Amino acid sequence: KNEVEQSPQNLTAQEGEFITINCSYSVGISALHWLQQHPGGGIVSLFMLSSGKKKHGRLIATINIQEKHSSLHITASHPRDSAVYICAVRGTYTGTASKLTFGTGTRLQVTL
Amino acid sequence: GAGVSQTPSNKVTEKGKYVELRCDPISGHTALYWYRQSLGQGPEFLIYFQGTGAADDSGLPNDRFFAVRPEGSVSTLKIQRTERGDSAVYLCASSLRGRSTDTQYFGPGTRLTVL
Repeated sequence: KNEVEQSPQNLTAQEGEFITINCSYSVGISALHWLQQHPGGGIVSLFMLSSGKKKHGRLIATINIQEKHSSLHITASHPRDSAVYICAVRGTYTGTASKLTFGTGTRLQVTL
Repeated sequence: GAGVSQTPSNKVTEKGKYVELRCDPISGHTALYWYRQSLGQGPEFLIYFQGTGAADDSGLPNDRFFAVRPEGSVSTLKIQRTERGDSAVYLCASSLRGRSTDTQYFGPGTRLTVL
């Protein structure tokens, strides 16, 4: 079992829909990151969370430390949101805090 | 300002050859990371540098893989006796100090194909 699990693996939505991507992890963490990867490989950091909720434009990220779960929400989705969204965590112990452990990503396609 | 850059963007080599992949981090960033991403997978950690030293190389798959960062800036990932299974996108990232709360900035990656 992977330390970081994402669901769904693939998601197709129509423009304007509200989208939720989920991330569950099995280890203690110091931080959780949501990343966006467009075709061609470029990865952009969207959020870094250690507790609570963050909002940036149409994107909202939440984390529940007790349940070891995070969600990424996209409101009023648009075709330009089409990308792979990756959840990644940093551990709390020496040897795990220095690196990101990634989920396999959620491939989102938003159609007109 | 300039982001993280990686060269080459694509590298095709034959099985058994030696390759070097280069990463130029954001100026002033002391932490540098190498990751490997196979098709359809999330990135996997390879090695983390803090300054000139490899602080964590636990992700290097075997002794064919080696990385250096001699002056605490540019890093080179070196792969000896390449195998077809080494084909992947190799990603480099840097962050200001390597703290867990620091944002990691990723380069565009080098796509390595071993024939």
